[in-house]
Amino acid sequence: DIVLTQTPLSSPVTLGQPASISCRSSQSLVHSDGSTYLGWLHQRPGQPPRLLIYKVSNRFSGVPDRFSGSGAGTDFTLKISRVEAEDVGIYYCMQATQLMTFGPGTELHIK
Amino acid sequence: EVQLLESGGGLVQPGGSLRLSCAVSGLNFSNYVMSWVRQARGKGLEWISVISGSGGGTNYAASVRGRFRISRDNSKNTVYLQMNSLRVEDTAVFYCVDGGLGYWGRGTLVTVSS
Repeated sequence: DIVLTQTPLSSPVTLGQPASISCRSSQSLVHSDGSTYLGWLHQRPGQPPRLLIYKVSNRFSGVPDRFSGSGAGTDFTLKISRVEAEDVGIYYCMQATQLMTFGPGTELHIK
Repeated sequence: EVQLLESGGGLVQPGGSLRLSCAVSGLNFSNYVMSWVRQARGKGLEWISVISGSGGGTNYAASVRGRFRISRDNSKNTVYLQMNSLRVEDTAVFYCVDGGLGYWGRGTLVTVSS
């Protein structure tokens, strides 16, 4: 099974400043079809998760452009260019290259 | 507007059964792979099961294989999760999601307790 690890697990951030979360996979996430099925989700308390990024770097519909994803193979990063108050919550990376697994989550909170 | 609405959760005793349903609208349902994902209170996300658009292909997490069964009725735009031999550790909010994880329901709470 593919295991995803995230760093940091908790991230205090300042409004208006950038933030970054890393996700590392136990094996390459390149699918046999050539795509890399790595995504990022955001969950606020009491709400279902919301997809931010799919296939490494593609923003889902309605996602602000301050969110960006990058990476390849086993190492991936989610970046927020300027953190806004609504960005607090837990961020999960996920892979769908081999069935589906999620990272443990990174809690983003305001300093 | 895409909507996914789960139902069927509730309180059940260990060893019991429940059947979850998820009614989907706003999508060409039969074209979409569908999954169930669960989340225990205060914990992370756990993928449970997936079903192909035709219903001919399914897969399960090791934690539920042999106890849970996913199915779908494309004439009703609904996906199901039959859960048998429930355990206390199955207690969670169960979400219905499309294969790309772009669309999520609000979830239905399953509580397994004596």
